[in-house]
Amino acid sequence: DGGITQSPKYLFRKEGQNVTLSCEQNLNHDAMYWYRQDPGQGLRLIYYSQIVNDFQKGDIAEGYSVSREKKESFPLTVTSAQKNPTAFYLCASSPEAFNWRPQHFGDGTRLSIL
Amino acid sequence: ILNVEQSPQSLHVQEGDSTNFTCSFPSSNFYALHWYRWETAKSPEALFVMTLNGDEKKKGRISATLNTKEGYSYLYIKGSQPEDSATYLCASATSGYSTLTFGKGTMLLVSP
Repeated sequence: DGGITQSPKYLFRKEGQNVTLSCEQNLNHDAMYWYRQDPGQGLRLIYYSQIVNDFQKGDIAEGYSVSREKKESFPLTVTSAQKNPTAFYLCASSPEAFNWRPQHFGDGTRLSIL
Repeated sequence: ILNVEQSPQSLHVQEGDSTNFTCSFPSSNFYALHWYRWETAKSPEALFVMTLNGDEKKKGRISATLNTKEGYSYLYIKGSQPEDSATYLCASATSGYSTLTFGKGTMLLVSP
């Protein structure tokens, strides 16, 4: 079955540590997205990529970095500069970066600080 | 940043009740409105993408309408079932290439 796989499901970070969240899709989608969810808030966009080797900052990119070296993969690194990283992270993709196409989501990764 | 509002925040209905909730968005520079259903421990699932004023879409017992002139969309569920329990998200876009802005969602609980 085609879909989006996020790993791990749960992740713990020590202070000062960088961690990387994995997102892989086998839907052959060009566009991929990273969102963050905090309690009582809507999904907020961290980074997105419309095509391989290209990505743009979203609304809350500070303290995060991404890469898009392969079409199917869009890993998110939460750096030590992100002071409040505890949140639920969702990865999504769409066939193209056009807003008349729905986004497909992974199951998410919950990141906590030790 | 767009302001997308959803109401109510949460809703508790009995099995068989019909229900509806609202998504409000800025009517200027509107391009598309998305609805997603997010069940607990699962990934959000796309329900509808609507672009035209007056659009109505239906998927089983769930339907949605769109009024771009006044900036709102309604989601209706006819004869709610316990499996409809989920958080329903809407998201708005101002252009074909802009990013989506999500509302905080409406959490629906349907009791048997």
